[in-house]
Amino acid sequence: AQSVSQHNHHVILSEAASLELGCNYSYGGTVNLFWYVQYPGQHLQLLLKYFSGDPLVKGIKGFEAEFIKSKFSFNLRKPSVQWSDTAEYFCAYSGAGSYQLTFGKGTKLSVIP
Amino acid sequence: KAGVTQTPRYLIKTRGQQVTLSCSPISGHRSVSWYQQTPGQGLQFLFEYFSETQRNKGNFPGRFSGRQFSNSRSEMNVSTLELGDSALYLCASSLQGGDGYTFGSGTRLTVV
Repeated sequence: AQSVSQHNHHVILSEAASLELGCNYSYGGTVNLFWYVQYPGQHLQLLLKYFSGDPLVKGIKGFEAEFIKSKFSFNLRKPSVQWSDTAEYFCAYSGAGSYQLTFGKGTKLSVIP
Repeated sequence: KAGVTQTPRYLIKTRGQQVTLSCSPISGHRSVSWYQQTPGQGLQFLFEYFSETQRNKGNFPGRFSGRQFSNSRSEMNVSTLELGDSALYLCASSLQGGDGYTFGSGTRLTVV
């Protein structure tokens, strides 16, 4: 079955630490890839998306993600996290021509001041 | 511009009842999708509509249905509610679908 794996359920970091959240998808065709963030008590917000072109994608709030086709991966990174980055992060994909997002289970990030 | 608006925010229903949830997409967005979010299953796709036509349907029983109106507003209906239907129901809209989705705050449904 088509799926998205997010390897870490809960990540705890100190402020200023670097962040990398793993995401692997299982879909053999062309994909559109997304990272969403859900801050406590708020709705899902789009951080960044990849459709084609440069595999290094920059998003909002200093986040970036790299698409590695050979590894079916789309890892999220941020060089220096802040307390305000505490949230749950969801990786998702849709197949080209599909209108359905398949989400990972999410990774909770807790940033300690 | 206004975001995706979902009403109501909270609902409590009894097993066996039916419920209708409403979603108003961002102005100009013609694609509306619905998702169910639960702690155990995460975010699961229900269905997607574009110009009043259902283009995709997820793996949910027929008790879950939806529709889209000519103004792109959408409703989803769940009949014969079960305890397991308790969840946060999210609506998302996009210009044409597949190009990035903006989510609403959701309707939290509790079935007792």
